[in-house]
Amino acid sequence: EDQVTQSPEALRLQEGESSSLNCSYTVSGLRGLFWYRQDPGKGPEFLFTLYSAGEEKEKERLKATLTKKESFLHITAPKPEDSATYLCAAGTSGTYKYIFGTGTRLKVLA
Amino acid sequence: DTGVSQNPRHKITKRGQNVTFRCDPISEHNRLYWYRQTLGQGPEFLTYFQNEAQLEKSRLLSDRFSAERPKGSFSTLEIQRTEQGDSAMYLCASSPATGTFYEQYFGPGTRLTVT
Repeated sequence: EDQVTQSPEALRLQEGESSSLNCSYTVSGLRGLFWYRQDPGKGPEFLFTLYSAGEEKEKERLKATLTKKESFLHITAPKPEDSATYLCAAGTSGTYKYIFGTGTRLKVLA
Repeated sequence: DTGVSQNPRHKITKRGQNVTFRCDPISEHNRLYWYRQTLGQGPEFLTYFQNEAQLEKSRLLSDRFSAERPKGSFSTLEIQRTEQGDSAMYLCASSPATGTFYEQYFGPGTRLTVT
């Protein structure tokens, strides 16, 4: 069965303390790996799309990378406003649906 | 372009009542998705429309749930005979293209509380 697993479930960082979030996937034919940010009470906000192993995307303090089994979201020198839940999702062959992980709740302390 | 909109934002209903939610996608997007999200979980796929055609529906979706997208524009999600387990955030998302997987743009969600 197709599955997306995120770790850690929660992460507390001091402002400026860089770290990485992990998204491992077991799917039958990856068609795209997506990262979203979700603030409490709101819908997810699109961050990145990665389509093939070795691909990297960057936006401000965030950098997403993809291997054949997992994706990482690297956060460099985070600020308190980066606090949110980060979700990853996989699009797979043979279906239109996206499979989401349960997310990593990030808290950045000033 | 104001993004994806959903109405109502909040709905409180009594068990056994029917509820209907509306989603207005970004105007040029022909792909529309409905998801359900409970606290601490990621969005769970419910159904997918490409234009007006409902092309995929979750096997986990009870027959109390039905969705429509007449004329390929807005969509409605109806839950009949609501149960307390239906309490969740219902999210709608739209996507710009067919043929491959593209990023989705989510609405703010409708929070359903069944008492």
